[in-house]
Amino acid sequence: GAGVSQSPRYKVAKRGQDVALRCDPISGHVSLFWYQQALGQGPEFLTYFQNEAQLDKSGLPSDRFFAERPEGSVSTLKIQRTQQEDSAVYLCASNLGPLYEQYFGPGTRLTVT
Amino acid sequence: LAKTTQPISMDSYEGQEVNITCSHNNIATNDYITWYQQFPSQGPRFIIQGYKTKVTNEVASLFIPADRKSSTLSLPRVSLSDTAVYYCLVGDRNNQGGKLIFGQGTELSVKP
Repeated sequence: GAGVSQSPRYKVAKRGQDVALRCDPISGHVSLFWYQQALGQGPEFLTYFQNEAQLDKSGLPSDRFFAERPEGSVSTLKIQRTQQEDSAVYLCASNLGPLYEQYFGPGTRLTVT
Repeated sequence: LAKTTQPISMDSYEGQEVNITCSHNNIATNDYITWYQQFPSQGPRFIIQGYKTKVTNEVASLFIPADRKSSTLSLPRVSLSDTAVYYCLVGDRNNQGGKLIFGQGTELSVKP
């Protein structure tokens, strides 16, 4: 079956622009995670959804970052007024629940110029 | 959450067995040890998970001593396609949905 998909794969934004990154999890996966990966570093947790409920957003770096999953499937990560330090790969992962392995998408590479 | 320490990089040759050791001195009773693999321009991929002793699957083996303060990922007979970054993660699978805390990882380079 299909894995986790993310779009766009690449995004270039001018400083100050708003961006929206989409994640399509594996069908039936209850949990969805967003991670941010800077160049040469491991992924860092941003936020976690169980169905449509955002249960943990402790990793969001500022109030410019906002995530939603309104129907418990597709999720969108929105970054307002992008800054250069937001340049990174944004990874989405999903799983059946806490005891299960996470399946990652290919990521969206965001470059802020 | 327990912090992990692993070598930044390792080199190997095709056909060799590779062992990557991870230290996690502050591991808690409820913590599991999980390894993920990441290729360039891809998201991480689950390899193996264990709690104690030894776990083996079709890809790798995971050795965990009795004190659980370290673990070793063993990759038998590596090939060029095993060149990747390998992450050791330690955490409570039931804590906050099982969110993953990655370190810097070990960059494994397999040469012909």
